Formats: sequence, C-alpha cells, structure tokens
Amino acid sequence: ELKVEQNPLFLSMQEGKNYTIYCNYSTTSDRLYWYRQDPGKSLESLFVLLSNGAVKQEGRLMASLDTKARLSTLHITAAVHDLSATYFCAVDIRETSGSRLTFGEGTQLTVNP
Amino acid sequence: NAGVTQTPKFRILKIGQSMTLQCAQDMNHNYMYWYRQDPGMGLKLIYYSVGAGITDKGEVPNGYNVSRSTTEDFPLRLELAAPSQTSVYFCASSFPGQGNQPQHFGDGTRLSIL
Repeated sequence: ELKVEQNPLFLSMQEGKNYTIYCNYSTTSDRLYWYRQDPGKSLESLFVLLSNGAVKQEGRLMASLDTKARLSTLHITAAVHDLSATYFCAVDIRETSGSRLTFGEGTQLTVNP
Repeated sequence: NAGVTQTPKFRILKIGQSMTLQCAQDMNHNYMYWYRQDPGMGLKLIYYSVGAGITDKGEVPNGYNVSRSTTEDFPLRLELAAPSQTSVYFCASSFPGQGNQPQHFGDGTRLSIL
C-alpha cells in the first residue's frame, strides 16, 4: 500500500522567511502533484512534476522531485500572508486499471505579519 | 467554462436515508474520480472511472456505489447513510495523455449525516 507522508503538518511562519515542506512516498513513481486548498474551498493545482530532477517555480513557490529518494519538496521563499493555505502533495500510481492519486495529509501553512 | 460541476453544495441527511451526489464535467475527460475529505485530513479515493461503463474501487469504497453511463457524468450513490459518511466529497476529472495534466476538482459537496 502506497503511503504518502508530509511534514510538517502545521507550519506557522513570519512574512519574509523561507521554509520547505517535505513529501515522502513509499513506492516507485515518477509523477507527483502539488495542490493548494484555501479553507472551505476546492483544490487548485500548483505544480506537476513528471520526472526525476524536475523543478518547477511559480512566484515564491518552487517544487522539486527526487524519484530515487522518493521525495518531493515545496520551497517557500520570502513568505507573504497570501500564501496561507493547506498544501497537499499527491503521488500518481499508474495501474492497468488506470491512473490514481494518493494524497498526503496536507501541510497547513499560516504566514503571520 | 464550467469545468467540473458538483451538486448539491450542501446536504443534511438522516441516518439510513439515501442520496446521489452529482458530478458533471464538460472537458471531455476520460478519467473521473470521487474523493472524500474528512476534517483536517487529506483526500481519500472512493471510486474512479477510466471511461463510460468502467468503474473501479479506490481506498474507501464501502457504503458507496457509482455508475458511468456517459463521459460527462459520474454520480456517487449513498444507499444507507451513516454518521461516518459525514465529510466533504470532491469529484475530479483528468485526461491522461495530454502532457499529464493534473486532475481538475469540483467545488465539493458538504454532507452531514445526523
């Protein structure tokens, strides 16, 4: 059974600081997704990482994938309040019956002034 | 530009009642999914479908049923509602092969069983 673990689960940080969220998974996969969820809202796609060494950046967020270590990171640079949300990683497992995602528990990020 | 549409947005059920959560997408996506999200948790896959007439169980299928008669629609049926099914339900769709695009999510259905 695939396990996807994120840490930390809760993160409170000050504006302007940097931090990294980690996503570890237990089985081979070369596809990983990061999503953002605001309270009471749906999930918004942030990044699609499709191969070992993939790195994607959008604004103050940068995501990377190391398939050999089964690890993805989401790095936050110079945090601002608008980044407060819950961030999920999801690992894609391709089976004969189709493609399915397994989600981590999420990291609840609070950026304080 | 509707994307994935879920109805209803909110619902309160009594224990033992039945209901169907509706999901429709207008992106011609082959793959559709149903997830549940319990408070403070990640999403767990209930059922998924890779095309009309094809469905398969996810991690937590017990107490639910699905059907997929068209590409556009993927309803989720609760036959005998139980308090443990109180959750937020999300439907999603994707079209693998188009550069591995991410799943697109609906706005969710917030369901309470009392």
